[in-house]
Amino acid sequence: DAKTTQPPSMDCAEGRAANLPCNHSTISGNEYVYWYRQIHSQGPQYIIHGLKNNETNEMASLIITEDRKSSTLILPHATLRDTAVYYCIVINTDKLIFGTGTRLQVFP
Amino acid sequence: GAVVSQHPSRVICKSGTSVKIECRSLDFQATTMFWYRQFPKKSLMLMATSNEGSKATYEQGVEKDKFLINHASLTLSTLTVTSAHPEDSSFYICSASRGGRTGELFFGEGSRLTVL
Repeated sequence: DAKTTQPPSMDCAEGRAANLPCNHSTISGNEYVYWYRQIHSQGPQYIIHGLKNNETNEMASLIITEDRKSSTLILPHATLRDTAVYYCIVINTDKLIFGTGTRLQVFP
Repeated sequence: GAVVSQHPSRVICKSGTSVKIECRSLDFQATTMFWYRQFPKKSLMLMATSNEGSKATYEQGVEKDKFLINHASLTLSTLTVTSAHPEDSSFYICSASRGGRTGELFFGEGSRLTVL
């Protein structure tokens, strides 16, 4: 079973920041937080991952709370092409178990 | 970035026939590949883990005789849906690990199977 809880859906205006929360209160010390997204009818795409520290790359930022029980994925300037289902996954192996994710709708 | 390709992207077949889906890592060697299936508006469900040169490990509830997986080389894994039925109609997706960061997998584009 997935170890994360995410809101089923969110809306965001184009150009604004999209903040997607994820709860992983049972995370273990050696488990990473990974984020993937899936655009309709395509395979998932890796976004970002972290262990303890906040991370940033060209796609997004990941904020992990100090107790590691939750995290937030931030898309700083959402575009229409960011409309997708976003999955937060907690793992320490390559075996990814997907939860239900958050369906992000970016509107003009 | 690493590329994983699936073929065919769409396939329609008659009930009772078998269908083979290929998953190739185009620019890296993948010792481990994973197969998922996805129903409309649902999340991805892991079916099996495929390791090069050994038998696949199937998740609970997945019939290994129904979904044959072969990982004959470091760049190719195949999923064969045997004696397909309409309930096997689904979106099948593969992913591959190139042995880098744990959890960083590269996914294929998916293959949509429709069984008539």
